Amino acid sequence: AQKVTQAQTEISVVEKEDVTLDCVYETRDTTYYLFWYKQPPSGELVFLIRRNSFDEQNEISGRYSWNFQKSTSSFNFTITASQVVDSAVYFCALSNTNAGKSTFGDGTTLTVKP
Amino acid sequence: GAGVSQSPSNKVTEKGKDVELRCDPISGHTALYWYRQSLGQGLEFLIYFQGNSAPDKSGLPSDRFSAERTGGSVSTLTIQRTQQEDSAVYLCASSLVDTGQGPYSSTDTQYFGPGTRLTVL
Repeated sequence: AQKVTQAQTEISVVEKEDVTLDCVYETRDTTYYLFWYKQPPSGELVFLIRRNSFDEQNEISGRYSWNFQKSTSSFNFTITASQVVDSAVYFCALSNTNAGKSTFGDGTTLTVKP
Repeated sequence: GAGVSQSPSNKVTEKGKDVELRCDPISGHTALYWYRQSLGQGLEFLIYFQGNSAPDKSGLPSDRFSAERTGGSVSTLTIQRTQQEDSAVYLCASSLVDTGQGPYSSTDTQYFGPGTRLTVL
């Protein structure tokens, strides 16, 4: 069985602060895929990144960065210099194939205050 | 180009009635997924279609739930004899077949529609 845990239910920061969203996963598969999605107040889920289990290289995209560590089964997401527009619910997800169903965490609600 | 569309955006129904929710995936996407998101909760997988293969129905919560995908494109999720616990946002997503590209690859990433908010009174 697969499981994704996002222990932080809600996080509140002040604009320009850095914030890290935690994601811990469980799977017995040796090949798997990890995702982060953003769900702004408008409701529509937006893809942020996909990472496969064979590539532990960390990724940076603008103010976003992801730290994938197989040793701790974690795929954490950091927003640098947060902005009010970053306020959203962020979901971490796990899939054992490139397609097929994904197991989602319960999400972390991030509020960035001006 | 056009994204995933879903209709209706909102549906209010009475307990015991049947409802149909529609999903139009992104043109050319071979995979289609249905998820359910209850208030304040994460996403719950319901069903997955990939090309002409038999659908993965392992997430359907009961036999009151069924889904079809006609012509490899549009999908309809049907809930029979609705119950109050069926109230949720029903999300549809579609994706291309994976080609193993980089971390931001769009080829197998699921693109979500805006959802249908179902309220069962």
